[in-house]
Amino acid sequence: SQQGEEDPQALSIQEGENATMNCSYKTSINNLQWYRQNSGRGLVHLILIRSNEREKHSGRLRVTLDTSKKSSSLLITASRAADTASYFCATRRGSGGGADGLTFGKGTHLIIQP
Amino acid sequence: DTGVSQDPRHKITKRGQNVTFRCDPISEHNRLYWYRQTLGQGPEFLTYFQNEAQLEKSRLLSDRFSAERPKGSFSTLEIQRTEQGDSAMYLCASSLGGGGSYEQYFGPGTRLTVT
Repeated sequence: SQQGEEDPQALSIQEGENATMNCSYKTSINNLQWYRQNSGRGLVHLILIRSNEREKHSGRLRVTLDTSKKSSSLLITASRAADTASYFCATRRGSGGGADGLTFGKGTHLIIQP
Repeated sequence: DTGVSQDPRHKITKRGQNVTFRCDPISEHNRLYWYRQTLGQGPEFLTYFQNEAQLEKSRLLSDRFSAERPKGSFSTLEIQRTEQGDSAMYLCASSLGGGGSYEQYFGPGTRLTVT
């Protein structure tokens, strides 16, 4: 089963606008990661936010984490055509022992209109 | 290029045939992961290795699937007696460590089509 669920499933905005996508997860986490996937470059890690962090920035990306609501958001400011991609949140599959690997949501498909 | 590489990039096979995929991780990464991704879905975990030891396998990994990482470097994923339901993108990733605290570097994937 998938731990994270992104919302919306699809988003289309004009170039230059901001894009916000959300992720909800089910169990407690130590950290949460966001990845981007497009046909040209495959899955690329964007940012990791730890459970004791509320907000993190990386260039035009801003990620927030609310552990009380088990949710995270990814904001892309001043969007560009190259931001067109699918965006996934991911959390660690297990909480201990031998469990490892990531659980991904279904993703938000972002389209930037020129 | 020092990223994760996968070979082949595309594979078309007939149902019932065996296929093998290869993944070369980033050299200093001790953890290697295999995922499967179908259209419109996120990647789903299949198995992972720490060095040469396979530490966990998902329920998705039926007995037709086997993975190895013989010397703790490259890994292979074999699917025996392929079925149409095996058609998917198979992704390999590597990381410096585990526990979800390290970013995973993904390869470009091997797209399998079973006819």
